[in-house]
Amino acid sequence: SQQGEEDPQALSIQEGENATMNCSYKTSINNLQWYRQNSGRGLVHLILIRSNEREKHSGRLRVTLDTSKKSSSLLITASRAADTASYFCALGRYGGATNKLIFGTGTLLAVQP
Amino acid sequence: EPEVTQTPSHQVTQMGQEVILRCVPISNHLYFYWYRQILGQKVEFLVSFYNNEISEKSEIFDDQFSVERPDGSNFTLKIRSTKLEDSAMYFCASRDYTTDTQYFGPGTRLTVL
Repeated sequence: SQQGEEDPQALSIQEGENATMNCSYKTSINNLQWYRQNSGRGLVHLILIRSNEREKHSGRLRVTLDTSKKSSSLLITASRAADTASYFCALGRYGGATNKLIFGTGTLLAVQP
Repeated sequence: EPEVTQTPSHQVTQMGQEVILRCVPISNHLYFYWYRQILGQKVEFLVSFYNNEISEKSEIFDDQFSVERPDGSNFTLKIRSTKLEDSAMYFCASRDYTTDTQYFGPGTRLTVL
């Protein structure tokens, strides 16, 4: 399918631990974006990684992209209770004026205090 | 920091009624989108809009849906005759052309009774 498939579907960790979420996909992409969604709320953009990039960092976030394996991972280091949310990868495909995003199914992260 | 805004935050309507969901994209963005998320499901692309016309629409975006940019700031999604299955969270997004990042609004929760 075109969409990203995240795993695990749910992840529960203790505060201070690292959380790793993976996204696999089957189509070609121009970029891959990660979003966070707190329960019932809006989508907050975390990080964008382009298809010619392998790794990006933003604060406690580290994203990797392996286009040969068609997979990406999001690492949150030193997690906090406030990181509890759903995390989605979204595939950005080059499409001229469109560039729509195709979202994955998400990983529900619970960080226990 | 500029952000996408949406009104109302929650709309309750009767089946068969028309609803208009409103969005104010980030001011210097040119590409606009509507997505929806049915409760517990993934975010789905509805339509993209550029240069005052639809650039792409999904199969969900049938004749009951329309979009408009009535002035220089607002971007609206109209559902002509709502159905029960239109109940969802509707997100507006605008894209920064220089970075390809899509910024999402907080969403409008539409409940069709």
